[in-house]
Amino acid sequence: GDSVTQMEGPVTLSEEAFLTINCTYTATGYPSLFWYVQYPGEGLQLLLKATKADDKGSNKGFEATYRKETTSFHLEKGSVQVSDSAVYFCALRLTTDSWGKLQFGAGTQVVVTP
Amino acid sequence: DAGITQSPRHKVTETGTPVTLRCHQTENHRYMYWYRQDPGHGLRLIHYSYGVKDTDKGEVSDGYSVSRSKTEDFLLTLESATSSQTSVYFCAISEGDTQYFGPGTRLTVL
Repeated sequence: GDSVTQMEGPVTLSEEAFLTINCTYTATGYPSLFWYVQYPGEGLQLLLKATKADDKGSNKGFEATYRKETTSFHLEKGSVQVSDSAVYFCALRLTTDSWGKLQFGAGTQVVVTP
Repeated sequence: DAGITQSPRHKVTETGTPVTLRCHQTENHRYMYWYRQDPGHGLRLIHYSYGVKDTDKGEVSDGYSVSRSKTEDFLLTLESATSSQTSVYFCAISEGDTQYFGPGTRLTVL
């Protein structure tokens, strides 16, 4: 079945360090891919998305490129801040799914220290 | 902000009691979803809805039922709560190819 695999956390970084969170997927067809972020005590917010191969999503200094050949959608940020401490979720949506259901990874907690 | 509210935000209940969680949206979205969030599992889909009285089961629907008698309200009911249903519950709506989430309800079943 369709699935999303994320690297396990927590990932602990110092401020201004480079962040990478790996995400790979298994899906029939060509899904749309998403990164959501959840700050402490809050709901999920869409961070970025990509809908086809080689698309790059970007927002708030974060980037992810849809790589069909490696079935990956890794999230990167060049210089993290303490305010980036959160849980990050990778998710996919099959384009053939008329209900728009999402399949989520387990989430990766990121802790940024001053 | 997609105009989604959830109530209550926090609830503590006892095993065997019925519980209803409410999701309310103000922008007439057709698609609505209920998820539960548990450590190590991410978010898992419980039920979803296309419109009034049009609902279907997700991957973890056992022990849950839903109702949607108005477009703006999507109710999730635990008929007889169990400790395994202690979780954080999120409602979402779909706009285009993107889902937007409510603030969540933290439910504890003792």
